[in-house]
Amino acid sequence: DTEVTQTPKHLVMGMTNKKSLKCEQHMGHRAMYWYKQKAKKPPELMFVYSYEKLSINESVPSRFSPECPNSSLLNLHLHALQPEDSALYLCASSQEQDRSFNSPLHFGNGTRLTVT
Amino acid sequence: DAKTTQPNSMESNEEEPVHLPCNHSTISGTDYIHWYRQLPSQGPEYVIHGLTSNVNNRMASLAIAEDRKSSTLILHRATLRDAAVYYCILFRNSGNTPLVFGKGTRLSVIA
Repeated sequence: DTEVTQTPKHLVMGMTNKKSLKCEQHMGHRAMYWYKQKAKKPPELMFVYSYEKLSINESVPSRFSPECPNSSLLNLHLHALQPEDSALYLCASSQEQDRSFNSPLHFGNGTRLTVT
Repeated sequence: DAKTTQPNSMESNEEEPVHLPCNHSTISGTDYIHWYRQLPSQGPEYVIHGLTSNVNNRMASLAIAEDRKSSTLILHRATLRDAAVYYCILFRNSGNTPLVFGKGTRLSVIA
């Protein structure tokens, strides 16, 4: 079990659907992250929120829309995805010290997304 | 960003020590050395990190070379549960760059 909870664990969606991935942590962490991981590849950073504000967007297509409603929750809204977007989507959180991201990350176990 | 180089894969026998190497010849003075591992069907898990001195915790030990251009993650007695991909990552203190994963080493443990 991890302290970062991601729902759903699995999601299958069509290219015209709109869906959302959810992530929750109650460790008081103020930095939250979305990573994307394709099979047998390392995780790739997508977005970083710091104190509920979007801090980093790694040139992610607009069909992925992150949202941080409060310090415990992180959402990833999905719209008009392509089959190549099928992957494991990982959420993580960390404490933040002096506005830098040098604290260990705590990861959830991910949402496995399949786009048909 | 400073890069790390790790072997693609390694194999170990159960209950024997495992030494996972990482080269980081372009490391800067403010870079911390972090290790994460990812077990099958799970998210990455923090293992250990250090700056200059060797570090020990309940999971592993981290040995850092004197010139800091390489480091070794040591699992003292490998178990089947330690089979995972191990990532060595440089993490800049005071920087605004979050964790970026390299390719990692896939560790297999043989019973």
